[in-house]
Amino acid sequence: RKEVEQDPGPFNVPEGATVAFNCTYSNSASQSFFWYRQDCRKEPKLLMSVYSSGNEDGRFTAQLNRASQYISLLIRDSKLSDSATYLCVVTDSGGGADGLTFGKGTHLIIQP
Amino acid sequence: EAQVTQNPRYLITVTGKKLTVTCSQNMNHEYMSWYRQDPGLGLRQIYYSMNVEVTDKGDVPEGYKVSRKEKRNFPLILESPSPNQTSLYFCASSRANYGYTFGSGTRLTVV
Repeated sequence: RKEVEQDPGPFNVPEGATVAFNCTYSNSASQSFFWYRQDCRKEPKLLMSVYSSGNEDGRFTAQLNRASQYISLLIRDSKLSDSATYLCVVTDSGGGADGLTFGKGTHLIIQP
Repeated sequence: EAQVTQNPRYLITVTGKKLTVTCSQNMNHEYMSWYRQDPGLGLRQIYYSMNVEVTDKGDVPEGYKVSRKEKRNFPLILESPSPNQTSLYFCASSRANYGYTFGSGTRLTVV
């Protein structure tokens, strides 16, 4: 059975701090990797894709380690608006045709 | 506006009364899928579709049916709903190698 494991938190972090999350996935054949953000039981929204070479989008940096089967997300200079649940997501087929497998999410609370 | 539209947003129904949750996307995406979200269990895939007339079971398909007669629509059918199907449901669509876009969700209560 394919699984994606995350620390559920909550992570309580002061505004302006740097916070990092990891997740691990069980299927070594997994093809694509993403971080999604979910606010208060609203729909998940794509935050960023994750590549082995690492990728950065503003204050957010994501990294994939295929050998160890883990994915990381780093948030720098955290803002109050970053408070949300962060979902680690993988697909097992190239292109994502067979949908997504979600971790249960890491809850982040940014404190003023 | 590019979007995935689910209806209804909220539904309370009784055990055994057939219902359909509609899902439509206007982005010409090939891939569509349905998920349910429950406290402590996260988001779990119910069914997915790779294209018109191509559907397959996800991790929790029992008690659900789907169809993909047109590219834009992917309805979720509960033939005989039971209380354990009370959940928050999301439909999503994507094209190859891109992340999925989600609908706003359907909160279903079966009494």
